[in-house]
Amino acid sequence: QSALTQPASVSGSPGQSITISCTGTSSDVGAYNYVSWYQQHPGKVPKLLIYDVTNRPSGVSNRFSASKSGNTASLTISGLQAEDEADYYCSSYTSSNTEVFGGGTKLTVL
Amino acid sequence: EVQVAESGGGLVKPGGSLRLSCAASGFTFSTYDMNWVRQAPGKGLEWVSCISSSGRYIYYADSVKGRFTISRDNAKNSLYLQMNNLRAEDTAVYYCARDMSGSGWYFDYWGQGTLVTVSS
Repeated sequence: QSALTQPASVSGSPGQSITISCTGTSSDVGAYNYVSWYQQHPGKVPKLLIYDVTNRPSGVSNRFSASKSGNTASLTISGLQAEDEADYYCSSYTSSNTEVFGGGTKLTVL
Repeated sequence: EVQVAESGGGLVKPGGSLRLSCAASGFTFSTYDMNWVRQAPGKGLEWVSCISSSGRYIYYADSVKGRFTISRDNAKNSLYLQMNNLRAEDTAVYYCARDMSGSGWYFDYWGQGTLVTVSS
């Protein structure tokens, strides 16, 4: 199972919006609405940001939103803040009864 | 408060074995599927294995299938990962992660991780 494809890095200025893409195949992202996103600050444990493509767990800021079209999912962060600087990973359930993560995207807040 | 805590990591030679443990507390362990996720130094996340709440259903990543065995003891609120025939590429921080339940596999609580280093 190959990792989902994410850009290695994205950047934005405070207050701006950025979008991170996550491209899979018809056997994972395109097959199910079981896409999730995680945020990981350096040296910290991953945090669940989004599940079921668009849903936010309790306590996650509504500045984080997500969507999916075909084999590509996207995470949008609006009103960028310095604390958003972190690594972001997408993940999807697959037709092989496994879970596959993306390679991760490093977000830099300029 | 939900907590999961891994233990058992360390330095092991290629071809060796190691058993990781994860102690859970603060929730009804027997009703949640559990997972192992790993992260090689400086690299991304990699899902390793999942075990259903009862232990009846078990799944593995291709990279560890046949070498790793996941198990659980609901009476002890504990999750395990037996790792055999270890390779250098298995070097990583291993996280125990709870599946939040629902249709997909979503990891809502993670331990701090335990480092496994495979080196001669």
